[in-house]
Amino acid sequence: NAGVMQNPRHLVRRRGQEARLRCSPMKGHSHVYWYRQLPEEGLKFMVYLQKENIIDESGMPKERFSAEFPKEGPSILRIQQVVRGDSAAYFCASSAGNSNQPQHFGDGTRLSIL
Amino acid sequence: QKEVEQNSGPLSVPEGAIASLNCTYSDRGSQSFFWYRQYSGKSPELIMFIYSNGDKEDGRFTAQLNKASQYVSLLIRDSQPSDSATYLCAVLGGGADGLTFGKGTHLIIQP
Repeated sequence: NAGVMQNPRHLVRRRGQEARLRCSPMKGHSHVYWYRQLPEEGLKFMVYLQKENIIDESGMPKERFSAEFPKEGPSILRIQQVVRGDSAAYFCASSAGNSNQPQHFGDGTRLSIL
Repeated sequence: QKEVEQNSGPLSVPEGAIASLNCTYSDRGSQSFFWYRQYSGKSPELIMFIYSNGDKEDGRFTAQLNKASQYVSLLIRDSQPSDSATYLCAVLGGGADGLTFGKGTHLIIQP
């Protein structure tokens, strides 16, 4: 499967725990984007990364959220000390380049906070 | 603040007819425009993208862009029940790296 791979598909955490979401971009893509979709809300951009670099994190909450895209392995979105309001679908997208290149989405991780 | 506006619908269209979906955007610096289809509980799927004023056709889909009016549309010809979904308009540009999405239009194709 050469598409964008996200795991896990579903993640349940209790308040105060940490959530780690993983994303492997489409083959040949080196640009990764994370989006969040809250219930009944539109998709919101969080962060844009290239290998070993955070390019734009303007949509990322200032606290508890972090992202990385190491030289080897998938991109990771980490949410520390999760709260009920973090419950959402988190989508990763990848593109072959920035600017005009279309972004292709993975199946998402549905995060539920108990 | 950059905004993308869509009529939330639902937009009901008879099978075989043309479905017309519309989107306006606020940022004149926007450069790239995308239409995604999202089925309930699923991820967004890229349908069309357009960069220049005018029409772009791909199969049953036509994207139309008018930068002067800050307006982009998607036409679906010969609508099928399987086209029933939420259609998301997304805009990129003006120095931004991430897509700005509208909230989507819920399209229902009636058999």
